[in-house]
Amino acid sequence: QVQLQESGPGLVKPSETLSLTCTVSGGSVSSSSYYWSWIRQPPGEGLEWIGYIYYSGSTNYNPSLKSRVTISVDTSKNQFSLRLSSVTAADTAVYYCARFLRGSYTFDYWGQGTLVTVSS
Amino acid sequence: QSALTQPASVSGSPGQSITISCTGTSSDIGGYNYVSWYQQHPGKAPKLMIYAVSNRPSGVSNRFSGSKSGNTASLTISGLQAEDEADYYCSSYTSSSTPYVFGTGTKVTVL
Repeated sequence: QVQLQESGPGLVKPSETLSLTCTVSGGSVSSSSYYWSWIRQPPGEGLEWIGYIYYSGSTNYNPSLKSRVTISVDTSKNQFSLRLSSVTAADTAVYYCARFLRGSYTFDYWGQGTLVTVSS
Repeated sequence: QSALTQPASVSGSPGQSITISCTGTSSDIGGYNYVSWYQQHPGKAPKLMIYAVSNRPSGVSNRFSGSKSGNTASLTISGLQAEDEADYYCSSYTSSSTPYVFGTGTKVTVL
């Protein structure tokens, strides 16, 4: 059974960089069948796709966040990571990592999510 | 890329059937068979219920079914149960600037 687990600080100061890591177990980030993704959900709001990365390192980001987002992958640790720079209160959200099945364009496994609050 | 449009809320009594709509454009729902539906209970992560318009992952009840007509996709829940009370999100591949878009979300209430 594939499991994903987010980790990282729950509180980030405005203008600083949000950093999260997703650890994958029961599957490999080196698989050619999947993209590894980040999605967020502000409190009481809907889902927003942030971006994804392929095991080769190729990425695709939401244009609305592209200038501030970096997603990277570490195949040796079976992890992938998110960095979001120059954060504001509008970036406060639950951040989910998820596995994206390329052939079906769907997120089939999700992490439990982690709340990141941007506040001084 | 704008979010796909869903009704804010849908309700039904136990045992009834309900249908949630998801309206997009020819650049997303209408152009591709890559519509998915996710169920989200409060404080929990979304769970995949339907993919590729009408396919159910292993373990998902056959009370959940999906379909598509033109630019609108639908999720039907038959034999509504108390445990079905949750938020539901549709999603689709899109040929616009962002390759993936979610719906606005629908809160399902079991009366």
